[in-house]
Amino acid sequence: EPEVTQTPSHQVTQMGQEVILRCVPISNHLYFYWYRQILGQKVEFLVSFYNNEISEKSEIFDDQFSVERPDGSNFTLKIRSTKLEDSAMYFCASSGRDSGANVLTFGAGSRLTVL
Amino acid sequence: AQKVTQAQTEISVVEKEDVTLDCVYETRDTTYYLFWYKQPPSGELVFLIRRNSFDEQNEISGRYSWNFQKSTSSFNFTITASQVVDSAVYFCALSEAGNRDDKIIFGKGTRLHILP
Repeated sequence: EPEVTQTPSHQVTQMGQEVILRCVPISNHLYFYWYRQILGQKVEFLVSFYNNEISEKSEIFDDQFSVERPDGSNFTLKIRSTKLEDSAMYFCASSGRDSGANVLTFGAGSRLTVL
Repeated sequence: AQKVTQAQTEISVVEKEDVTLDCVYETRDTTYYLFWYKQPPSGELVFLIRRNSFDEQNEISGRYSWNFQKSTSSFNFTITASQVVDSAVYFCALSEAGNRDDKIIFGKGTRLHILP
């Protein structure tokens, strides 16, 4: 069964450092997403991406965050200058809306720890 | 605006008991989709079910069943004869057809403990 792949599974970084989280969505999907889950809390929408541009973003997705699809397969989330409160699990997801799927498939997550 | 409320933060039941997880949603769209996801201790999000707003028929899948009632804006999830492996956090979620994408909004989740 096709799956969404995320790397790294766990990253530890110092406050103020830049972090890039990588995702390989399902190959025929057209919509891509990042969600965040602070430990023990709800899964929060960050951003959606379609046709090489941001489709929608939440209030959490401020200027410290950016997304990119640098090639035909990867979808990345960059945090420019990490803060302690960025420590969370980050989930990538993809969907193939044009195929009527309307179901997000999530990756296993990347746990970010900011010290 | 869309909103999902899971009033039960944490539930503990003894194995083999039935348990129902509540979910109430708010939306202005007439066409929308409801979901349940399971998050086991390993942390991944596992898709369980999707329901569209025009299909109020209840669904059963093995020990799992879902009760969708538009009149009360609820989409409750019942596990029959619970097992220890059912211990997880369960999230109810909502997607509006009016969205430009398939973005879903999650409830806060219900942490379910099945005690042996």
